[in-house]
Amino acid sequence: AQKITQTQPGMFVQEKEAVTLDCTYDTSDPSYGLFWYKQPSSGEMIFLIYQGSYDQQNATEGRYSLNFQKARKSANLVISASQLGDSAMYFCAMREWGGGATNKLIFGTGTLLAVQP
Amino acid sequence: DGGITQSPKYLFRKEGQNVTLSCEQNLNHDAMYWYRQDPGQGLRLIYYSQIVNDFQKGDIAEGYSVSREKKESFPLTVTSAQKNPTAFYLCASRAGQGDFAGTEAFFGQGTRLTVV
Repeated sequence: AQKITQTQPGMFVQEKEAVTLDCTYDTSDPSYGLFWYKQPSSGEMIFLIYQGSYDQQNATEGRYSLNFQKARKSANLVISASQLGDSAMYFCAMREWGGGATNKLIFGTGTLLAVQP
Repeated sequence: DGGITQSPKYLFRKEGQNVTLSCEQNLNHDAMYWYRQDPGQGLRLIYYSQIVNDFQKGDIAEGYSVSREKKESFPLTVTSAQKNPTAFYLCASRAGQGDFAGTEAFFGQGTRLTVV
C-alpha cells in the first residue's frame, strides 16, 4: 500500500547552515513521483521540488535538493544555507501514476523546521 | 490570474448541520483533491476526482460527500455524520487525468471549519 513516513516531528537549524528533512516511502508501483511542500504558518501549501521514479539525477531547485535513494525508498529534502523564512512545516508527498495506479496524492505527517538566528 | 479559490476562509457550523465548502479552479486542471488537516498533523485525503463526473474515496471519506459536475468546481459537503469536523480543509488541483503529465498539485488557501 502507498505510504509516506516522516520520522522527524520537529527540527532546529542555525541560520546559514544546511538541514536534511527525512522522508521514506512505500509503494509497489514502479512509476511514481515524490514531492516536497512547504506550509508556513499562514496555511498555504507551497510546492518546492519534484522527483520522478525514473529520474537518473537528484532534483535541485535553488537552495533545495532532493537526495533520492531509490533502493532504500527514501527522498530526503536538503535545504542549504537556511534562512529565517524557511521556518515552516514541510511535507513529503507521493503519487503513483502507473497503469493500475489510483493516482492518489498522499502526504506524510510533516516536519516542523525552526531556523534560529 | 489563474489559481484555486476556496471559500469561505472561516466557517462556523452548529452540530448536526451539513455545510458545503467551495473549491473553484481556473487552471483547466482535470484532477482535484480534498484534504483535511488537524493541528500539528499531516494532510489526509478525503476525496479526489480525476475527471468530470467521476470521483473516488480517499482515506477518510466517511461523513463527507463531493460532486464534480463541472471541471472547475469540486465542492465538499461535511455532513452531520462526520463526528469531529473541526479542522483545516485544503483543496488542490493537478493537470492531467492520471498520466505522468502535470506533476505538482496546486493548493487553495484553505477553509478553517469550526463546530460550535
